[in-house]
This record gives sequence, C-alpha cells and structure tokens, in this order.
Amino acid sequence: QKEVEQDPGPLSVPEGAIVSLNCTYSNSAFQYFMWYRQYSRKGPELLMYTYSSGNKEDGRFTAQVDKSSKYISLFIRDSQPSDSATYLCALNNAGNMLTFGGGTRLMVKP
Amino acid sequence: DVKVTQSSRYLVKRTGEKVFLECVQDMDHENMFWYRQDPGLGLRLIYFSYDVKMKEKGDIPEGYSVSREKKERFSLILESASTNQTSMYLCASLSGGSTEAFFGQGTRLTVV
Repeated sequence: QKEVEQDPGPLSVPEGAIVSLNCTYSNSAFQYFMWYRQYSRKGPELLMYTYSSGNKEDGRFTAQVDKSSKYISLFIRDSQPSDSATYLCALNNAGNMLTFGGGTRLMVKP
Repeated sequence: DVKVTQSSRYLVKRTGEKVFLECVQDMDHENMFWYRQDPGLGLRLIYFSYDVKMKEKGDIPEGYSVSREKKERFSLILESASTNQTSMYLCASLSGGSTEAFFGQGTRLTVV
C-alpha cells in the first residue's frame, strides 16, 4: 500500500462547478499538508499549505485536513478553465522529505 | 521569489550517452532533490542532498548518480542513458526547517 493515495482522474467538470480533490494517507506521523498545482509541461508550484486538522481558505481554494481519518481535501469554488491542471498532495512529517500523492488531473470545461 | 532553474527544458539523447542535468537554486536552501515523473507513477525520488558533497539515495537511484559541489547546484548524471530513462525530471529545493519545496520547470528527456 502506498503511503499516500490519490485518485489520478481525470476529473472533468463544467466551469463554475465546485471541485473536490482528495488524498488519503497511512502514516499518522505526517504533520504538514500541502497542495501543489502543476500545469502541463511545467514544474509543480505550491498552492496551499496547512498544519493540523481543520480548514484553511485562500480565495476560491479551501484546504481541509482530518487527521483522525487521515484524509485531506482541496476544494475549488467557481472553478475556471485556468484551474485545469494536475493537483498533487504532499505530506511532511517535520523532516526534510515530502511524500507526494500521484496527482489528480483536473479539466474544467468552458 | 525563490527560483529553481533547470538547465534545459527539452533534451534528446542517444542510448549509451552520458547525460548531465543541472539544477541551480538561489535561496541558499540546504536540501535539494531530483525526481522523475511518469504518467501513472507520480513523482519518484531519485536522489537527494542535505548539504554540500552529501547525497542520499531515494526510491529509484539505479542508473543515476548526483553531484553537489556547491550549495546552490545539484547535478543529476545518467551514466549511460537508456530508453527507459525517458521521462520528465524535476529538481526541487527545500530550506531546513521548512516544509515548502520549490520546483524547477522540469526537463523533458527523451532517450532514443
């Protein structure tokens, strides 16, 4: 079993939809949770970063962490075609290593 | 702004060639990483370095070596390129005590 599981998609939604992207993990030592966005043929860029359970909001994006269920989510409100990308979750146990999910490819259609 | 720069965006090499992929970061980060990214397999760690001249194997080091002679530069070397090393290669850097890794733009390597 992988340490971090993420549905690869693709996930196709109409413009304006609410998108939910998710990761599950098995190692309870993970303390820091990140979401990266990767456009085609580009490197990943950090989108959001959270520590501990709860919600964090940034504009149209909300990151949610449920440590008891080992489940993290990224919600995108009012999705736009420019949100079309691959989204990777990344987890850290306070060391110098990140463990990545496989990424979910999102397509937002006009 | 943190910048991680990879020397090439696209590279085509022949089987058996020695290939050098260069990565430079400008934020004095201690930790640097090389990943390869393949469809359906996600990001896989090849090697990482937590200090000058230090290196650690990642999950898939076979066929690769690395060099870190200066803090800002981390090189990935394919000793004898093979077609199964055709992939997207990503370099990342991370400051000690931080959890935010910064990535380069990637090098798409094709071995023919």
